[in-house]
Amino acid sequence: SQQGEEDPQALSIQEGENATMNCSYKTSINNLQWYRQNSGRGLVHLILIRSNEREKHSGRLRVTLDTSKKSSSLLITASRAADTASYFCALILTGGGNKLTFGTGTQLKVEL
Amino acid sequence: KAGVTQTPRYLIKTRGQQVTLSCSPISGHRSVSWYQQTPGQGLQFLFEYFSETQRNKGNFPGRFSGRQFSNSRSEMNVSTLELGDSALYLCASSSGQGLDEQFFGPGTRLTVL
Repeated sequence: SQQGEEDPQALSIQEGENATMNCSYKTSINNLQWYRQNSGRGLVHLILIRSNEREKHSGRLRVTLDTSKKSSSLLITASRAADTASYFCALILTGGGNKLTFGTGTQLKVEL
Repeated sequence: KAGVTQTPRYLIKTRGQQVTLSCSPISGHRSVSWYQQTPGQGLQFLFEYFSETQRNKGNFPGRFSGRQFSNSRSEMNVSTLELGDSALYLCASSSGQGLDEQFFGPGTRLTVL
């Protein structure tokens, strides 16, 4: 069963706008990672945030983590058409080893 | 560094057959994990191999098995294929030394008829 729930399931925005997607989970984590997937291809690692971190940035990406609320958000600023993809949060659960537990994913469409 | 490679990219099999998928990790990485992706169940963890030993296992029947070779390349085998095994199979490579980012291959698209 999937531990991560993402919302929204689908998001459609105009190029240049910001996109925010959220991930909620139920148990203790070691870290949380965000991945992107284009049209059923392989997953591309975007960013990793550890349980003792609250915010991380990478280029146009900003990730926050609130362990008290068991939630994380991914913000993509100034979206481009090339950002159109599915985005997944993936959890490394405490005591779960190297196993990634994936969320349900958010389908982002960025229109010109 | 070359990325993670998976072969074959596409595969069509019939029910009851068996299939073997291959994954070559990034050079120097010793951990290979396998995931199954379907529209209904999403991304699910199959197993992880580290230094030729299975280190972690998901909730899949015994028809799904794997192994890792001394050069860290890994194979995954599915026996007695069922229609529900149709999926994208992804492998992920990592150093295996810590709980760090994993690098995914392009996947093998398996269709069972």
